[in-house]
Amino acid sequence: QQQVRQSPQSLTVWEGETAILNCSYENSAFDYFPWYQQFPGEGPALLISILSVSDKKEDGRFTIFFNKREKKLSLHIADSQPGDSATYFCAADASSGSWQLIFGSGTQLTVMP
Amino acid sequence: AQTIHQWPVAEIKAVGSPLSLGCTIKGKSSPNLYWYWQATGGTLQQLFYSITVGQVESVVQLNLSASRPKDDQFILSTEKLLLSHSGFYLCAWSLWDWGTSAETLYFGSGTRLTVL
Repeated sequence: QQQVRQSPQSLTVWEGETAILNCSYENSAFDYFPWYQQFPGEGPALLISILSVSDKKEDGRFTIFFNKREKKLSLHIADSQPGDSATYFCAADASSGSWQLIFGSGTQLTVMP
Repeated sequence: AQTIHQWPVAEIKAVGSPLSLGCTIKGKSSPNLYWYWQATGGTLQQLFYSITVGQVESVVQLNLSASRPKDDQFILSTEKLLLSHSGFYLCAWSLWDWGTSAETLYFGSGTRLTVL
């Protein structure tokens, strides 16, 4: 059972465009949603996160939009740069100390110069 | 500052051979520790977590075992490797973030395992 789904599997945008990565989840107990960025051959690194009490979180060029009713969220990367080319993972957790972060299948983003 | 070191960086092993991977966390006392597995081009699957020395909880069964012999050390092992064990193994530690009221995971650089 895939509890966290991501789309598209891969995405190509031009430099300067806004990349939109989508994520949805099934478990209503999830209330913490971090996004991780992973470059080839490296471990993932936390990019930005949101709690379910918020509907938007911004950090520079990165913005998460969250819709609790529809159990959907999206990561918007504004003014995309070639250095943003990486795989992005949406994850979910029930912040009550489950110690189990569930990851989606990832979106591979390519930013063309 | 906290640092996480995984070893080895890469391994090529034969089916049926034993395996031991490790990670060490410095700069954080009594960290929560985790092992994740990632197939090539795939998602991250949590394997084990440990809240304290000597105690390890299994999340999925993949014919692997884990141990925490020291506060800052986490070991992943098996006596007999399978082809399906190939992939990228990531150790992680977590820090409670008072801002988000959630555990934030920090990953090591991983070990690439190839089973032939």
